[in-house]
This record gives sequence, C-alpha cells and structure tokens, in this order.
Amino acid sequence: DAKTTQPTSMDCAEGRAANLPCNHSTISGNEYVYWYRQIHSQGPQYIIHGLKNNETNEMASLIITEDRKSSTLILPHATLRDTAVYYCIVIDYGQNFVFGPGTRLSVLP
Amino acid sequence: DAGVTQSPTHLIKTRGQQVTLRCSPKSGHDTVSWYQQALGQGPQFIFQYYEEEERQRGNFPDRFSGHQFPNYSSELNVNALLLGDSALYLCASSLKAQGDEQFFGPGTRLTVL
Repeated sequence: DAKTTQPTSMDCAEGRAANLPCNHSTISGNEYVYWYRQIHSQGPQYIIHGLKNNETNEMASLIITEDRKSSTLILPHATLRDTAVYYCIVIDYGQNFVFGPGTRLSVLP
Repeated sequence: DAGVTQSPTHLIKTRGQQVTLRCSPKSGHDTVSWYQQALGQGPQFIFQYYEEEERQRGNFPDRFSGHQFPNYSSELNVNALLLGDSALYLCASSLKAQGDEQFFGPGTRLTVL
C-alpha cells in the first residue's frame, strides 16, 4: 500500500500557484519524498524529490515540514498544460515505487 | 538523447494468449522497471531488472515474466492472458548508481478480449 494520502482532486486558476498537499505521517528517516505527474495516457513524469530540506527546480518547489510528516508541491504559475494527476511517493533508497491514486489537478482558464 | 521507448504502442489479444512487450531504456541507464496501470488507478510495480537479473518483484503471479538483455533493453512477457490484464504497461529506466529517479516511457496499451 502507498504510504501517502492526497486529496482526490483540486482546481486551480490559470496563472495562480497550485499547492498540492501530501500526508506521509509514517515516513522514516531514510525515506525520500518524490513527486511525479501523469498527463492523460502518457507515462509519469518526474517533477522533484527531497529528503529533509525544501527543494526547488525549474518545474516546482517542494516544501517538507520539519517533522517530515507532510509536504506540499508548489507549481508557482499554473498553466493549462499542468492539468494532470500528481503522485506523491515515499521511498527508501533501492525500493520500488508504490503509487497511490494521486491528486487530479485541473487548471481552469 | 533518446528517452525511454516502448513497443508496440497498442496491442489487442484474446484470453489465453501470450504477449511480449518491449522497452529500451534512456541512454546511459542500466536498470529497467515495469509497471501495470489499470484504468483510473496509479501504476503498480511488477518487477525490476538490473544486470540481466530480476532484482525486485511486486505482487504479480508467475504468468508475468521478464528479461533484460546485455544492451539493457527489456521485455515483459505475460502468459495465459486474462481479461483483467487489460491495462497500460509502463517501463521506467534509471541508473542504479544515481538512486531512484525513474524515467518513464509512454507505455503500451494492452487490451484483452
């Protein structure tokens, strides 16, 4: 079973920030938080990952709480092309990915 | 730089038949993982190949088998197809030495009638 819980769906207005939450209350010290997204009928696309510190790349920012029990993926200026299912995954090094149902983000014009 | 490629794109089989799906990893990658994604669900891990051996396996029956070749490409074989095997089959590649970031291919859509 997936070690994370995410809202089933979210809406976001185009041009606004999209904040996608993820709860992982049973995360252990060695486990990373990964985010992937899947646009309709395509393969999942890597977005970002982190262990303890907040991370930022050209696609998004990842904010991990100090106790590491939850995190938020931030898409700073959502576009229509960001409409997708977003998966939050907790994984230790060398383990296989366990995907939950994810959050279906709809970016609205 | 070629990404992960999979073939065929779509496939239709009947119950009881056998199917082989193929995956070429991203250039420079040495590890291939296979996932099954039923409609409306997240991908489910089938198995992972590294150095031509199955290294990890998910909760899938022995009807699902695989192979990795010296050039790191991989095949997924499914025997005695069931209607429930209809799904999108995803291949992901990674570089063992660089941890867990996986690059996914576009998938093969298998329909079993």
